[in-house]
Amino acid sequence: EAQVTQNPRYLITVTGKKLTVTCSQNMNHEYMSWYRQDPGLGLRQIYYSMNVEVTDKGDVPEGYKVSRKEKRNFPLILESPSPNQTSLYFCASSPSTSGGVSKNIQYFGAGTRLSVL
Amino acid sequence: AQSVTQLDSQVPVFEEAPVELRCNYSSSVSVYLFWYVQYPNQGLQLLLKYLSGSTLVKGINGFEAEFNKSQTSFHLRKPSVHISDTAEYFCAVSAPRRGGGNKLTFGTGTQLKVEL
Repeated sequence: EAQVTQNPRYLITVTGKKLTVTCSQNMNHEYMSWYRQDPGLGLRQIYYSMNVEVTDKGDVPEGYKVSRKEKRNFPLILESPSPNQTSLYFCASSPSTSGGVSKNIQYFGAGTRLSVL
Repeated sequence: AQSVTQLDSQVPVFEEAPVELRCNYSSSVSVYLFWYVQYPNQGLQLLLKYLSGSTLVKGINGFEAEFNKSQTSFHLRKPSVHISDTAEYFCAVSAPRRGGGNKLTFGTGTQLKVEL
């Protein structure tokens, strides 16, 4: 089954304790992205990757890191989490970001709810 | 840069009534338009998309949306809602990004609550 898998689904941590949220897709998609969802703000892009070893900042990158060493994986790293990073996080992927719109459709994981105390 | 406005944060409606969720966008270039739905405790699922051509787009679960270029709108409609349509709905636009590729920008979402 084609899917985007995020782990963990729920995470409670404390300020300053490094954590990683994993994201994996099995569709051989070139493009992957991380979003955070906050009430009243919709989804905002944190980082994105257009292919292996190619990553770039989105709209709200502060306090986050990413890497793309393999095509299927795109982990989100919080080196020193703070309470303002408490949010619902989504990973997404799409075949490409160029070409026809069908290649631009993004497929989302189920989300990771993070609480930083 | 593009932006998306969903004016209604919440829309209550009775079951079997029609509903319209409003979406307006701004962009200086041609865009692709999407509606995503998020059911409680789930990820986002594509409801429908506008590519080009016909301005009326049909999606899953009986939803449809109409693209209006002059009004820069892409409102979502359903003639008769069901309890199971209770969810949050996001309008999104995809437009070329400086430096290559496309960027997907979301609205703030509309919570549709269907009541008996």
